[in-house]
Amino acid sequence: KAGVTQTPRYLIKTRGQQVTLSCSPISGHRSVSWYQQTPGQGLQFLFEYFSETQRNKGNFPGRFSGRQFSNSRSEMNVSTLELGDSALYLCASSWRGDTEAFFGQGTRLTVV
Amino acid sequence: AQRVTQPEKLLSVFKGAPVELKCNYSYSGSPELFWYVQYSRQRLQLLLRHISRESIKGFTADLNKGETSFHLKKPFAQEEDSAMYYCALIQGAQKLVFGQGTRLTINP
Repeated sequence: KAGVTQTPRYLIKTRGQQVTLSCSPISGHRSVSWYQQTPGQGLQFLFEYFSETQRNKGNFPGRFSGRQFSNSRSEMNVSTLELGDSALYLCASSWRGDTEAFFGQGTRLTVV
Repeated sequence: AQRVTQPEKLLSVFKGAPVELKCNYSYSGSPELFWYVQYSRQRLQLLLRHISRESIKGFTADLNKGETSFHLKKPFAQEEDSAMYYCALIQGAQKLVFGQGTRLTINP
């Protein structure tokens, strides 16, 4: 079956802009979680959605938000981009959130 | 706070030698621990989880609650084991708390 798909793979944005990243989970998976990966901070949890509801949120400012649609696809949005938001953003899906998480290839965001 | 520590950023061993990647955690309650691996140019993938008690690609990991450790071991390293390894615990609904990772290099 197809894996987790993230689009776009690469993005370059300017400070102050906003960006939307997309994640299509594995068919049948209802849980989607997002992570930020940077060289300094490593992999950090952003939030998790299950059946269109946010169940868990990490320690990120309100500029980071997300949503999940009825088909389990998820988007995350970052508003008022800062240079420090440059990172690899990973999406992971699982059947119900407490089972194996399957990761996408990530979206590499560069803020200039 | 829940925390995962991987003390070695880099680990280099020779092919055929034993490998041990260290992982320590702090967690109040019964933790569920994982090892994830990322091979070059590939996505992050689950290597093993402690509750399954499996041996994957020759790797094993035992949860030691007394020492709060979950070290990853393999008796004989192979060149294809070169990768980035992350130890993680799950906290709540699909919230994985990752260590900083260990880059393992197997020398021929």
